[in-house]
Amino acid sequence: DAGVIQSPRHEVTEMGQEVTLRCKPISGHNSLFWYRQTMMRGLELLIYFNNNVPIDDSGMPEDRFSAKMPNASFSTLKIQPSEPRDSAVYFCASSLEFSGELFFGEGSRLTVL
Amino acid sequence: QKEVEQDPGPLSVPEGAIVSLNCTYSNSAFQYFMWYRQYSRKGPELLMYTYSSGNKEDGRFTAQVDKSSKYISLFIRDSQPSDSATYLCAMSASSNDYKLSFGAGTTVTVRA
Repeated sequence: DAGVIQSPRHEVTEMGQEVTLRCKPISGHNSLFWYRQTMMRGLELLIYFNNNVPIDDSGMPEDRFSAKMPNASFSTLKIQPSEPRDSAVYFCASSLEFSGELFFGEGSRLTVL
Repeated sequence: QKEVEQDPGPLSVPEGAIVSLNCTYSNSAFQYFMWYRQYSRKGPELLMYTYSSGNKEDGRFTAQVDKSSKYISLFIRDSQPSDSATYLCAMSASSNDYKLSFGAGTTVTVRA
Protein backbone atom coordinates (compact mmCIF):
# COMPACT_ATOMS: atom_id res chain seq x y z
CA ASP A 1 0.00 0.00 0.00
CA ALA A 2 1.22 3.50 -0.79
CA GLY A 3 0.26 4.86 2.58
CA VAL A 4 -1.62 8.10 3.20
CA ILE A 5 -1.12 10.45 0.27
CA GLN A 6 -1.31 14.20 0.69
CA SER A 7 -1.09 17.01 -1.79
CA PRO A 8 0.33 19.50 -2.28
CA ARG A 9 3.52 18.88 -0.29
CA HIS A 10 4.27 22.58 -0.24
CA GLU A 11 2.02 25.56 -0.74
CA VAL A 12 2.98 29.22 -0.64
CA THR A 13 0.13 31.65 -0.96
CA GLU A 14 -0.78 35.19 -0.13
CA MET A 15 -3.07 36.29 2.64
CA GLY A 16 -6.69 36.18 1.62
CA GLN A 17 -6.31 33.39 -0.91
CA GLU A 18 -8.16 30.11 -0.71
CA VAL A 19 -6.10 27.02 0.13
CA THR A 20 -7.24 23.45 -0.48
CA LEU A 21 -5.31 20.51 0.93
CA ARG A 22 -6.06 16.99 -0.21
CA CYS A 23 -5.76 13.57 1.33
CA LYS A 24 -6.16 9.99 0.18
CA PRO A 25 -6.30 7.63 3.19
CA ILE A 26 -5.10 4.04 3.25
CA SER A 27 -7.61 1.77 1.57
CA GLY A 28 -9.80 0.04 4.12
CA HIS A 29 -9.22 2.56 6.89
CA ASN A 30 -12.48 4.07 8.08
CA SER A 31 -11.14 6.80 10.37
CA LEU A 32 -9.54 9.95 9.01
CA PHE A 33 -7.92 12.79 10.91
CA TRP A 34 -6.60 16.21 10.00
CA TYR A 35 -3.86 17.56 12.27
CA ARG A 36 -1.92 20.79 12.28
CA GLN A 37 1.66 20.95 13.56
CA THR A 38 3.48 24.12 14.62
CA MET A 39 6.52 24.73 16.79
CA MET A 40 4.45 26.67 19.28
CA ARG A 41 1.46 24.35 19.65
CA GLY A 42 2.74 20.96 18.51
CA LEU A 43 0.26 18.53 16.94
CA GLU A 44 -3.35 19.64 17.15
CA LEU A 45 -6.34 17.60 16.03
CA LEU A 46 -8.50 19.70 13.73
CA ILE A 47 -11.22 17.26 12.69
CA TYR A 48 -12.02 13.57 12.85
CA PHE A 49 -14.13 11.58 10.35
CA ASN A 50 -15.47 8.10 10.86
CA ASN A 51 -16.99 6.29 7.89
CA ASN A 52 -16.89 9.59 5.97
CA VAL A 53 -18.96 11.40 8.61
CA PRO A 54 -17.45 14.29 10.59
CA ILE A 55 -17.56 13.22 14.23
CA ASP A 56 -15.56 15.92 15.97
CA ASP A 57 -14.65 19.28 14.45
CA SER A 58 -14.06 21.05 17.74
CA GLY A 59 -10.42 21.60 16.83
CA MET A 60 -11.19 23.59 13.70
CA PRO A 61 -9.91 27.02 14.68
CA GLU A 62 -12.41 29.22 12.89
CA ASP A 63 -15.15 29.31 10.30
CA ARG A 64 -12.44 29.97 7.76
CA PHE A 65 -11.57 26.28 8.03
CA SER A 66 -13.75 23.58 6.53
CA ALA A 67 -13.24 19.89 5.77
CA LYS A 68 -15.09 17.37 3.67
CA MET A 69 -14.93 13.68 3.03
CA PRO A 70 -17.16 12.94 0.04
CA ASN A 71 -16.10 9.28 -0.11
CA ALA A 72 -13.90 6.75 1.66
CA SER A 73 -10.86 7.53 -0.45
CA PHE A 74 -10.71 11.32 -0.44
CA SER A 75 -10.81 14.24 1.94
CA THR A 76 -10.12 17.96 1.66
CA LEU A 77 -9.24 20.67 4.15
CA LYS A 78 -10.01 24.16 2.94
CA ILE A 79 -8.95 27.50 4.37
CA GLN A 80 -10.74 30.56 3.03
CA PRO A 81 -9.52 33.24 3.40
CA SER A 82 -6.04 32.23 4.51
CA GLU A 83 -4.04 34.26 7.04
CA PRO A 84 -0.32 34.27 7.94
CA ARG A 85 -1.08 32.58 11.28
CA ASP A 86 -2.37 29.56 9.34
CA SER A 87 1.20 28.80 8.29
CA ALA A 88 1.93 25.29 9.55
CA VAL A 89 2.34 21.70 8.45
CA TYR A 90 -1.01 20.02 7.96
CA PHE A 91 -1.11 16.25 8.35
CA CYS A 92 -3.76 13.82 7.30
CA ALA A 93 -3.82 10.49 9.13
CA SER A 94 -5.97 7.39 8.82
CA SER A 95 -6.60 4.33 10.94
CA LEU A 96 -8.85 1.33 11.43
CA GLU A 97 -11.62 2.43 13.78
CA PHE A 98 -10.39 4.10 16.94
CA SER A 99 -6.80 3.12 17.37
CA GLY A 100 -3.62 4.48 18.82
CA GLU A 101 -1.95 3.52 15.56
CA LEU A 102 -2.43 6.45 13.26
CA PHE A 103 -0.86 6.33 9.83
CA PHE A 104 0.24 9.82 8.86
CA GLY A 105 0.87 11.26 5.45
CA GLU A 106 4.00 13.27 4.75
CA GLY A 107 2.18 16.52 5.38
CA SER A 108 1.40 19.68 3.47
CA ARG A 109 3.63 22.58 4.43
CA LEU A 110 1.62 25.79 4.12
CA THR A 111 3.14 29.26 4.10
CA VAL A 112 0.80 32.22 3.99
CA LEU A 113 2.56 35.49 3.22
CA GLN B 1 -0.42 23.52 32.42
CA LYS B 2 -0.41 21.16 29.45
CA GLU B 3 -1.95 17.74 29.85
CA VAL B 4 1.23 16.11 28.54
CA GLU B 5 4.66 17.60 29.17
CA GLN B 6 7.71 16.64 27.14
CA ASP B 7 11.10 18.34 27.10
CA PRO B 8 11.69 19.47 23.52
CA GLY B 9 15.46 19.11 23.84
CA PRO B 10 17.33 19.07 21.59
CA LEU B 11 19.28 16.03 22.70
CA SER B 12 22.61 15.17 21.08
CA VAL B 13 24.37 11.90 21.84
CA PRO B 14 27.29 9.93 20.33
CA GLU B 15 26.59 6.79 18.36
CA GLY B 16 26.19 3.79 20.63
CA ALA B 17 24.90 5.77 23.61
CA ILE B 18 21.64 5.08 25.38
CA VAL B 19 18.98 7.68 24.65
CA SER B 20 16.48 8.35 27.41
CA LEU B 21 13.27 10.22 26.66
CA ASN B 22 10.35 10.90 28.94
CA CYS B 23 6.95 12.48 29.31
CA THR B 24 4.86 13.40 32.30
CA TYR B 25 1.10 13.75 32.30
CA SER B 26 -1.63 15.02 34.55
CA ASN B 27 -4.69 12.99 33.52
CA SER B 28 -4.84 9.87 35.69
CA ALA B 29 -7.38 8.34 33.28
CA PHE B 30 -4.71 7.75 30.64
CA GLN B 31 -4.08 4.04 30.16
CA TYR B 32 -2.75 3.74 26.62
CA PHE B 33 0.66 5.14 25.84
CA MET B 34 2.39 5.52 22.52
CA TRP B 35 5.68 6.76 21.14
CA TYR B 36 5.78 8.14 17.64
CA ARG B 37 8.95 8.85 15.68
CA GLN B 38 9.02 11.71 13.21
CA TYR B 39 11.86 12.15 10.76
CA SER B 40 12.53 15.60 9.36
CA ARG B 41 9.95 16.63 6.77
CA LYS B 42 7.95 13.43 7.31
CA GLY B 43 4.81 12.45 9.20
CA PRO B 44 4.96 10.72 12.59
CA GLU B 45 5.03 6.91 12.63
CA LEU B 46 4.09 4.68 15.52
CA LEU B 47 7.10 3.20 17.28
CA MET B 48 5.76 1.67 20.48
CA TYR B 49 2.29 1.08 21.96
CA THR B 50 1.81 0.08 25.59
CA TYR B 51 -1.08 -0.42 27.95
CA SER B 52 -1.09 0.51 31.62
CA SER B 53 2.07 0.21 33.71
CA GLY B 54 5.13 -1.87 32.99
CA ASN B 55 7.80 -2.33 30.37
CA LYS B 56 7.69 -3.28 26.73
CA GLU B 57 10.74 -4.10 24.67
CA ASP B 58 11.10 -4.15 20.89
CA GLY B 59 14.61 -4.62 19.63
CA ARG B 60 16.71 -1.67 20.77
CA PHE B 61 13.65 0.18 22.07
CA THR B 62 12.15 -0.11 25.55
CA ALA B 63 9.04 1.73 26.70
CA GLN B 64 8.29 2.10 30.39
CA VAL B 65 5.12 3.33 32.04
CA ASP B 66 4.83 4.33 35.69
CA LYS B 67 1.21 5.26 36.23
CA SER B 68 1.70 5.97 39.92
CA SER B 69 4.12 8.75 39.00
CA LYS B 70 2.32 9.68 35.76
CA TYR B 71 5.61 9.24 33.93
CA ILE B 72 6.53 7.37 30.77
CA SER B 73 9.92 6.74 29.23
CA LEU B 74 11.46 5.52 26.01
CA PHE B 75 14.97 4.13 25.95
CA ILE B 76 16.99 3.58 22.80
CA ARG B 77 19.98 1.27 23.25
CA ASP B 78 23.02 1.29 20.99
CA SER B 79 21.75 4.42 19.28
CA GLN B 80 22.46 4.86 15.58
CA PRO B 81 22.57 7.98 13.38
CA SER B 82 19.39 6.64 11.76
CA ASP B 83 17.65 7.15 15.13
CA SER B 84 18.03 10.92 14.69
CA ALA B 85 14.45 12.18 14.70
CA THR B 86 11.82 13.84 16.85
CA TYR B 87 10.10 11.50 19.29
CA LEU B 88 6.57 12.32 20.39
CA CYS B 89 4.73 10.66 23.22
CA ALA B 90 0.97 10.27 22.96
CA MET B 91 -1.65 8.89 25.27
CA SER B 92 -5.34 8.20 25.64
CA ALA B 93 -7.79 7.03 28.24
CA SER B 94 -9.25 4.14 26.28
CA SER B 95 -8.39 1.97 23.29
CA ASN B 96 -11.22 3.52 21.30
CA ASP B 97 -10.38 7.11 22.17
CA TYR B 98 -9.71 8.86 18.89
CA LYS B 99 -8.43 12.02 20.56
CA LEU B 100 -4.80 11.39 21.43
CA SER B 101 -2.96 13.80 23.69
CA PHE B 102 0.48 14.43 22.19
CA GLY B 103 3.61 15.73 23.82
CA ALA B 104 5.56 18.50 22.10
CA GLY B 105 8.25 16.07 20.91
CA THR B 106 11.95 15.72 21.75
CA THR B 107 14.45 16.18 18.93
CA VAL B 108 17.31 13.69 19.08
CA THR B 109 20.55 13.77 17.10
CA VAL B 110 22.87 10.77 17.19
CA ARG B 111 26.38 11.78 16.14
CA ALA B 112 28.43 9.30 14.11
